[in-house]
Amino acid sequence: NAGVTQTPKFQVLKTGQSMTLQCAQDMNHEYMSWYRQDPGMGLRLIHYSVGAGITDQGEVPNGYNVSRSTTEDFPLRLLSAAPSQTSVYFCASRKGLAGETTTDTQYFGPGTRLTVL
Amino acid sequence: AQKVTQAQTEISVVEKEDVTLDCVYETRDTTYYLFWYKQPPSGELVFLIRRNSFDEQNEISGRYSWNFQKSTSSFNFTITASQVVDSAVYFCALSEGVTGGGNKLTFGTGTQLKVEL
Repeated sequence: NAGVTQTPKFQVLKTGQSMTLQCAQDMNHEYMSWYRQDPGMGLRLIHYSVGAGITDQGEVPNGYNVSRSTTEDFPLRLLSAAPSQTSVYFCASRKGLAGETTTDTQYFGPGTRLTVL
Repeated sequence: AQKVTQAQTEISVVEKEDVTLDCVYETRDTTYYLFWYKQPPSGELVFLIRRNSFDEQNEISGRYSWNFQKSTSSFNFTITASQVVDSAVYFCALSEGVTGGGNKLTFGTGTQLKVEL
């Protein structure tokens, strides 16, 4: 298994540009999430999904869109990038309740470092 | 609303010293889960431990140990005989509800641990 993969690893955008951060997992996990990490603020939840076709907002959803058309993929879209979206973005996944075990937890991708000029 | 506080922003120790990283949490739920993640300089997030609110037993894994005390809402992490490879940012996180894997994690701001020779 490749686990959770994210592309690209680095990206520089100009203000107003749009782009999609890709996230994929090959573990047949139901739950997927996007977090952003900013200095001194830890990680904050942007959006999450409990299964294909179902998404919901997290703590800081403004400026981001998501969709979940397949179990494997959970892309994060920035419609009009702003300098405040400069951050490191992490995608995470975990099994659904049916796969719950005492060791089940969220697995994080390697992150995407985004800079908006 | 849930909250996680890691008051120690940065800790520096000399190799072989013991070090404790503090984590204090706030939640109104009776069922919740606590986590520790390690983020080495390479940037990925590495899962260390998950503990549910009904299990106050302390846990030891090699040089790592965790002390969970509901009475003080704390979940502290101790590294015994620290090594340079332990240098990283450590995050404490909280998830409420019955989804044990933590679909919606609230992170603390992290503690930067530097272990020097």
